[in-house]
Amino acid sequence: GAGVSQSPSNKVTEKGKDVELRCDPISGHTALYWYRQSLGQGLEFLIYFQGNSAPDKSGLPSDRFSAERTGGSVSTLTIQRTQQEDSAVYLCASSLGLFETQYFGPGTRLLVL
Amino acid sequence: ELKVEQNPLFLSMQEGKNYTIYCNYSTTSDRLYWYRQDPGKSLESLFVLLSNGAVKQEGRLMASLDTKARLSTLHITAAVHDLSATYFCAAARYSGGGADGLTFGKGTHLIIQP
Repeated sequence: GAGVSQSPSNKVTEKGKDVELRCDPISGHTALYWYRQSLGQGLEFLIYFQGNSAPDKSGLPSDRFSAERTGGSVSTLTIQRTQQEDSAVYLCASSLGLFETQYFGPGTRLLVL
Repeated sequence: ELKVEQNPLFLSMQEGKNYTIYCNYSTTSDRLYWYRQDPGKSLESLFVLLSNGAVKQEGRLMASLDTKARLSTLHITAAVHDLSATYFCAAARYSGGGADGLTFGKGTHLIIQP
């Protein structure tokens, strides 16, 4: 079956612009996660959703970052007023439930100029 | 705070040799995962280890978990070039009825030379 998909695959933006990243999880997976991968910080957990709710947003790097999930499926990660340090690969993962193996999407490579 | 340390971070080895990657974690973890990442690609799940003494094997890779020592190992037997990749371990901790995301190690960049 189809895996986790993310769009866009690459995004180049100017400092100060807003960007929106999209994640489409595996059908039937109730849990959805966002991570960030960069050379300096490695793989960092950002936020997870169980259904449409995100119980803990403390992993988001700053208040410029927000995420939502509607209909228990697609999720968007929004970064407002992007900064150069936001440049990274943003990975989305989904799992059948909170305690199950997470399957990762191909990622969105974000470059902030 | 859950911390995960892998070593070595870089490993160059010859085909046919055996080697082990180590993963230590700092506090009680409910699950331990191993992932593989090829250059420019996403993460591929290899193993999930759930309990003390758990051992899983797939081909030339074998993973084990010692919860008392807070240590997981990924053993490579008779390495072949196709196993060249970056390997990550990740620990998960679930508390208060909720879940944290995975905490990853820095990854072990493995190069297997003919």
